[in-house]
Amino acid sequence: QSVLTQPPSVSGAPGQRVTISCTGSSSNIGAGYDVHWYQQLPGTAPKLLIYGNSNRPSGVPDRFSGSKSGTSASLAITGLQAEDEADYYCQSYDSSLSGPNWVFGGGTKLTVL
Amino acid sequence: EVQLVESGGGLVQPGGSLRLSCAASGFTFSSYWMSWVRQAPGKGLEWVANIKQDGSEKYYVDSVKGRFTISRDNAKNSLYLQMNSLRAEDTAVYYCARGGSSGWINWFDPWGQGTLVTVSS
Repeated sequence: QSVLTQPPSVSGAPGQRVTISCTGSSSNIGAGYDVHWYQQLPGTAPKLLIYGNSNRPSGVPDRFSGSKSGTSASLAITGLQAEDEADYYCQSYDSSLSGPNWVFGGGTKLTVL
Repeated sequence: EVQLVESGGGLVQPGGSLRLSCAASGFTFSSYWMSWVRQAPGKGLEWVANIKQDGSEKYYVDSVKGRFTISRDNAKNSLYLQMNSLRAEDTAVYYCARGGSSGWINWFDPWGQGTLVTVSS
């Protein structure tokens, strides 16, 4: 069980908009810690997509956007393209009793129909 | 260009040991936190360990505490993960990733291509 909860899969047709949710708790997202998002294309290493809740690294298209509210965060992809088909992971920091932990969501597989 | 290249993965028997290495280039290695993140076959990402710029602080996920040791050699621009008492559940692709250059680590960027560790008899 992942500390951060994501839907296992989402899908959308080319050109459509999809969102991926990431739900945490009061010890991570709800405690004010930032959320970051990664894209993992098939057979490749993860790549940073969004950092600090809503910031895009250089080179990431503005079709990708992130937001955070309360104990949850979301990744939105507009103008869906075939090359967006990948696994997406959210990540944050968790201040649990066992010590510092950097935590990931279980991942969401995006299928472009 | 920032580059991270892992090596050292392979097949090891349960209870055995393995040492992973990560060669860094294209940035001032000694200025950054560094991390190991793993991904079991067909599964999601799991943070494993972090090490501060000067090696003075190290953090581990509970499941590897006491068995894995993260270290670095800033003179060689290299990161290491010594893995002892390996278990079947440690089977995964292990990624080396760069953390932040400040006093803490927030996100991981970039990542290496990964090295596969298989624990099996």
